Amino acid sequence: ILNVEQSPQSLHVQEGDSTNFTCSFPSSNFYALHWYRWETAKSPEALFVMTLNGDEKKKGRISATLNTKEGYSYLYIKGSQPEDSATYLCALNYGGSQGNLIFGKGTKLSVKP
Amino acid sequence: DAMVIQNPRYQVTQFGKPVTLSCSQTLNHNVMYWYQQKSSQAPKLLFHYYDKDFNNEADTPDNFQSRRPNTSFCFLDIRSPGLGDAAMYLCATSRGGQGKTQYFGPGTRLLVL
Repeated sequence: ILNVEQSPQSLHVQEGDSTNFTCSFPSSNFYALHWYRWETAKSPEALFVMTLNGDEKKKGRISATLNTKEGYSYLYIKGSQPEDSATYLCALNYGGSQGNLIFGKGTKLSVKP
Repeated sequence: DAMVIQNPRYQVTQFGKPVTLSCSQTLNHNVMYWYQQKSSQAPKLLFHYYDKDFNNEADTPDNFQSRRPNTSFCFLDIRSPGLGDAAMYLCATSRGGQGKTQYFGPGTRLLVL
């Protein structure tokens, strides 16, 4: 059974702090890795899709790296703001038909002003 | 601007009473997915449609069915909801294939009394 693990489960930081969290996955079944941000009462929003070992992607203050050989991805948020408070989900394309995703449980980030 | 719409946002049903959740999209995507997320768990794929082709995940209970009458709409039918079916149900769409972004609706939270 393929498993995607995210850590930590939750994180509380002060405004202005930089933070990062981890997504681990079995490296033998890798096609692509997705990061989503899910704010309460909204739709999960796609942040990044990463496919190549060593990939680094950036969107504003958020960036992500990928290591497919060892099976992990890091998501970084620089200078966290209260509006960054959300659950960050990682999901793996494992080769199932039509790009089916296996999700982790997410990391819930709370940023205090 | 809404691209993937789910109705209703909250649904209350009684134990054993059939319930239907709906999803519509304005993206004209080939693939539509239904995910179930129980409390503190990862979203889990139930099934997906590629155009009119239905693909059930092996461990999706028979109690769950789906219909896709046209490209824009997809329904999730729960024939006899049990207490264990209380969850957030997420609909998503994509162009299909590995590494393609999935676009999510805001979800329907189902409560079973």
